[in-house]
Amino acid sequence: DAKTTQPNSMESNEEEPVHLPCNHSTISGTDYIHWYRQLPSQGPEYVIHGLTSNVNNRMASLAIAEDRKSSTLILHRATLRDAAVYYCILRDDRSGGSNYKLTFGKGTLLTVNP
Amino acid sequence: DSGVTQTPKHLITATGQRVTLRCSPRSGDLSVYWYQQSLDQGLQFLIQYYNGEERAKGNILERFSAQQFPDLHSELNLSSLELGDSALYFCASSATGDEKLFFGSGTQLSVL
Repeated sequence: DAKTTQPNSMESNEEEPVHLPCNHSTISGTDYIHWYRQLPSQGPEYVIHGLTSNVNNRMASLAIAEDRKSSTLILHRATLRDAAVYYCILRDDRSGGSNYKLTFGKGTLLTVNP
Repeated sequence: DSGVTQTPKHLITATGQRVTLRCSPRSGDLSVYWYQQSLDQGLQFLIQYYNGEERAKGNILERFSAQQFPDLHSELNLSSLELGDSALYFCASSATGDEKLFFGSGTQLSVL
């Protein structure tokens, strides 16, 4: 699996937007970009994913660079409940339609200040 | 609530013992994945089953084995336990053709 690079930690204030960066300079054309987060004492939780175009859902937005070598997860208004470790993961679509195993890195620990 | 159920939530055992962790996937999900999370290794993929068959293998030790039953629940068997096997074990499931993995709340294994 192609490698991703994320900052170890970031800090934000409540009700402000948060931009979490991810670099994936070795991404291939068949790699999907996934974001998961893990709240304290819980299992990872799906946030969003995309291939080439920017994506929005009720949790967040995903902005993908035109060359796909980087992406940014955007939380539009951070809340205290958004404090978690955020993982940026590349999934190779060549592994087949029934294989969605993900390789997690160390992620970014997001702290939200009240 | 992800819909994925793992039992037990906590397990304390001794070195050399054998334990079984159980996972019930979301209704209708054919794929089950097992992950191990420890402080030094992070989240490590162990193994995946799809509709009863092994589909992908990761960093799973030979002392560990898994299976998926006809009702789609899965079990992870850990034998000859060592202190280093102490970790959180997560199960996840996904629907065919769906990119999203849904994780359970994990089983905390402590080997003393």
